[in-house]
Amino acid sequence: SQTIHQWPATLVQPVGSPLSLECTVEGTSNPNLYWYRQAAGRGLQLLFYSVGIGQISSEVPQNLSASRPQDRQFILSSKKLLLSDSGFYLCAWISGSYNSPLHFGNGTRLTVT
Amino acid sequence: AQSVTQLDSQVPVFEEAPVELRCNYSSSVSVYLFWYVQYPNQGLQLLLKYLSGSTLVKGINGFEAEFNKSQTSFHLRKPSVHISDTAEYFCAASLKAAGNKLTFGGGTRVLVKP
Repeated sequence: SQTIHQWPATLVQPVGSPLSLECTVEGTSNPNLYWYRQAAGRGLQLLFYSVGIGQISSEVPQNLSASRPQDRQFILSSKKLLLSDSGFYLCAWISGSYNSPLHFGNGTRLTVT
Repeated sequence: AQSVTQLDSQVPVFEEAPVELRCNYSSSVSVYLFWYVQYPNQGLQLLLKYLSGSTLVKGINGFEAEFNKSQTSFHLRKPSVHISDTAEYFCAASLKAAGNKLTFGGGTRVLVKP
């Protein structure tokens, strides 16, 4: 069966420090991968998506970047965190069919202090 | 561009009462519609989806939703809620041409009271 792993579950980082959040998917190949952010009291905002290794599309300009070094690995990074980067980050995957639902990881709660 | 609007940010409801969560979308082409549930500090789980066919869609945990093309709505309902239904609910839409990119509504927080 397919599973998605996202870590860490919680993270507290000071302003200006780097960030690396990792997401891996098991039990499927060539998934579409997504990073969403959920800020307090707000809906989900799509940050990045990837349809294949090395292929990254950014939805909004921001302080973050994403990479896909392997087929089932998706990494969210920042060189210098801002206070506004605080939020709940969710990784998700889809099989590639346009009418398939997204499968979400359990999320990472990031607090930038 | 498509957008998804959830009209209620919070819905308090008593246990065993019915609940309806409203969702409207804007798109000039066919869309695929989804409802997700998020329990505290967890990811999202799929409740149900509408792709085509019958406009009444049944999902898990006793939820159902009705697709109304003329009103561009996809409201979620449950006839009798439980305490365990306390969560945040998200409506989402995707377009075939949008590369599987879901657009989410702002979410509706349901608080079930005993």
